[in-house]
Amino acid sequence: DTEVTQTPKHLVMGMTNKKSLKCEQHMGHRAMYWYKQKAKKPPELMFVYSYEKLSINESVPSRFSPECPNSSLLNLHLHALQPEDSALYLCASSQEDSSGANVLTFGAGSRLTVL
Amino acid sequence: AQKVTQAQTEISVVEKEDVTLDCVYETRDTTYYLFWYKQPPSGELVFLIRRNSFDEQNEISGRYSWNFQKSTSSFNFTITASQVVDSAVYFCALSEAEIPSNTGKLIFGQGTTLQVKP
Repeated sequence: DTEVTQTPKHLVMGMTNKKSLKCEQHMGHRAMYWYKQKAKKPPELMFVYSYEKLSINESVPSRFSPECPNSSLLNLHLHALQPEDSALYLCASSQEDSSGANVLTFGAGSRLTVL
Repeated sequence: AQKVTQAQTEISVVEKEDVTLDCVYETRDTTYYLFWYKQPPSGELVFLIRRNSFDEQNEISGRYSWNFQKSTSSFNFTITASQVVDSAVYFCALSEAEIPSNTGKLIFGQGTTLQVKP
């Protein structure tokens, strides 16, 4: 299995809602990532988990709350979002290859619309 | 500071033309990694290639080839005999080898949108 699976593919939520994005990988990768991508822009890193521990938080607002229940799962809990948070949220996982590089495998993304 | 520049915002070619996507990077590290990813309209970022800073060999994979030149800090991507299915946004990215923890953080360029017309 060489995939990163993200659910849901599309999500529409109001500013007072609480929802979650889910990500799963079964490649045995030890690092997992959340990226945010606005239209016509490159992905921007939000969080990195390494061995199930949060290793990077790129100063993301607290209305985004990541969770890594185990080495295969990564969640992103959403609460009190703003319309400007509407974007494509990409999950990725990686493992170091023989050269020491982390090659990220991305999921198809969850497209979020905040009304 | 680390930076990746893709000066070409959009490129339009006719099928079977060759096309080169430019990528220039900045880093102070001596060990780093360069990547190209393809993002079709479906949204998923597809890994194409990884290059190490200490390996300047060019690479060819089918219709794709990559030219890495440390002297000019460039990592250009050429598609030979382009096809409509090559239409996508292409991102060049840089990752530094952080010690002791290599987090794999990618610094992306702005992307180049390639449109291949039939």
